[in-house]
Amino acid sequence: KAGVTQTPRYLIKTRGQQVTLSCSPISGHRSVSWYQQTPGQGLQFLFEYFSETQRNKGNFPGRFSGRQFSNSRSEMNVSTLELGDSALYLCASSFDRGHDGYTFGSGTRLTVV
Amino acid sequence: AQSVTQPDIHITVSEGASLELRCNYSYGATPYLFWYVQSPGQGLQLLLKYFSGDTLVQGIKGFEAEFKRSQSSFNLRKPSVHWSDAAEYFCAVGAGSNYQLIWGAGTKLIIKP
Repeated sequence: KAGVTQTPRYLIKTRGQQVTLSCSPISGHRSVSWYQQTPGQGLQFLFEYFSETQRNKGNFPGRFSGRQFSNSRSEMNVSTLELGDSALYLCASSFDRGHDGYTFGSGTRLTVV
Repeated sequence: AQSVTQPDIHITVSEGASLELRCNYSYGATPYLFWYVQSPGQGLQLLLKYFSGDTLVQGIKGFEAEFKRSQSSFNLRKPSVHWSDAAEYFCAVGAGSNYQLIWGAGTKLIIKP
């Protein structure tokens, strides 16, 4: 079966702009989580969506938001981009709470200039 | 507070030698435990997981991990590493009522020819 698909793979944006990243989970998976990965901070949890509802949220400012659609596809949006938002953004899906482990996409590399 | 510690930032091992990557966690009960591997520029791949039962778990690519409750550890092992094992390895713990995954900082494995 198809894996977790993240688009786009690479993105370059200017400070102050906004960006939307997309994630298509594995078919049948209802939970989608988003992570930010940087060399300095490692993997940081952004939020998790389950059946179109945000179930968990990490400690990120309100500029970071997300949503999940009825087909479980998810988007995350970052408004008013800052240089520090440059990172690899990873999406992971699971059937429910990830007890069987999450399946990760290859990520979107966002560079803010 | 719950935490995961991977004490080694980098480990260098000769090809064919054995490997042990350390992971210690802090949590009051037995959590769900995972090891993931990340190749450069890629997402994370689940190597193995522990929920309950036999404390020695087998994973993909010839890896195994042992859960030791008394030491709050879940160390990853492989008897003979291959050059293709060069990657970053992450330990993660799922715990708490909201089951948010807590991640270690990662250990980068370097293979010497």
